Amino acid sequence: EIVMTQSPATLSVSPGERATLSCRASQSVSSNLAWYQQKPGQAPRLLIYGASTRATGIPARFSGSGSGTEFTLTISSLQSEDFAVYYCQQYNNWPSFGPGTKVDIK
Amino acid sequence: QVQLVESGGGLVKPGGSLRLSCAASGFTFSDYYMSWIRQAPGKGLEWVSYISSSGSTIYYADSVKGRFTISRDNAKNSLYLQMNSLRAEDTAVYYCARAQYSSGNWYFDLWGRGTLVTVSS
Repeated sequence: EIVMTQSPATLSVSPGERATLSCRASQSVSSNLAWYQQKPGQAPRLLIYGASTRATGIPARFSGSGSGTEFTLTISSLQSEDFAVYYCQQYNNWPSFGPGTKVDIK
Repeated sequence: QVQLVESGGGLVKPGGSLRLSCAASGFTFSDYYMSWIRQAPGKGLEWVSYISSSGSTIYYADSVKGRFTISRDNAKNSLYLQMNSLRAEDTAVYYCARAQYSSGNWYFDLWGRGTLVTVSS
């Protein structure tokens, strides 16, 4: 089983600032990594797949990078609607998710 | 409107059974792989099961293998999860998700709002 970890657990950011979220895999997952956003009481929404490809309708302020075991999700300028929990998921093997990073308002 | 809507959750005693349903609309259901994913209260996401577009290929997480059965009815645009021998640790919100197959496995590009299953005496 591939174990995913995310850091930090909570990230406090002011609107308009840049947010950088990290995801690490216990073994290489190549570029088979996705990022999701989840707001309270809502279903997760796909943001990024293939480590760096934005899903349909996702704003350009969201970008993904990395390969192998180290990945980053960057939100270039936080908007009010971006405060949420973000999960990474590997699909190089049976799907597994990270524990999430909560982005809240500073 | 492209959407997935789950139903069938509720309170069930340990050892009991429950059947979840997921109604798909706005896309050609029979073209897509589908999955169930769950989220225990205050916890992260856990993949549960996957079914291919025709229903001929099915996989389960070890935590539910032998107790849960995934199925689909493409004529009714519906996905199902039969859950037997339920345990307290199965308590979670269960999401139906559309799966995109890539590099031998899959990510999930459309999710429903989920249905809560509570297993408690």
